[in-house]
Amino acid sequence: GAVVSQHPSWVICKSGTSVKIECRSLDFQATTMFWYRQFPKQSLMLMATSNEGSKATYEQGVEKDKFLINHASLTLSTLTVTSAHPEDSSFYICSARDSLATHTGELFFGEGSRLTVL
Amino acid sequence: DQQVKQNSPSLSVQEGRISILNCDYTNSMFDYFLWYKKYPAEGPTFLISISSIKDKNEDGRFTVFLNKSAKHLSLHIVPSQPGDSAVYFCAASAGYSGAGSYQLTFGKGTKLSVIP
Repeated sequence: GAVVSQHPSWVICKSGTSVKIECRSLDFQATTMFWYRQFPKQSLMLMATSNEGSKATYEQGVEKDKFLINHASLTLSTLTVTSAHPEDSSFYICSARDSLATHTGELFFGEGSRLTVL
Repeated sequence: DQQVKQNSPSLSVQEGRISILNCDYTNSMFDYFLWYKKYPAEGPTFLISISSIKDKNEDGRFTVFLNKSAKHLSLHIVPSQPGDSAVYFCAASAGYSGAGSYQLTFGKGTKLSVIP
């Protein structure tokens, strides 16, 4: 089946630094990728929709200058958490939809990246 | 305002019995519903979906039922196996939006424990 890979799976950084998380679709092209955030015992919260070759669409309450998204190719989207603070510590998950697939409702998810900001 | 609700945070079931996970939604624009299974520190895995034009979809041990009038759906797992122990997320979509994007609204999840 379709595979989405995230890297790194786990990262610890100091407060004030920036962290980049990559999301790759390994065997399909994805014009649209999604970035989610999950806090403990909470649901996946959509942060932004990443569109290849254009600006990302952010959900209400998500700071676009803090969470920079770049979708430079059909197989790669990156999320950069800028000037990270401890409250940014969370589990970040990306998902992608096969551009050639019919409307089946399936999204393929990455393994997730756990960010811990000290 | 939570548009997709999974009111049971956890559920324990004996191996071999039926597991029933429930999900309620409030947005009448939702027309596609999905269930995902998630293990700790991993991304969700798609399980089964149902379109609003159907009231039942079955795939092996997994069956999803949709009651549109009640805005309620449920996932049945029969027979339950220890490997089914995971967090199950219900998700809903209002279909395509914008230029072919596909956004999901998730519930908070229900942790299923299948006891051997």
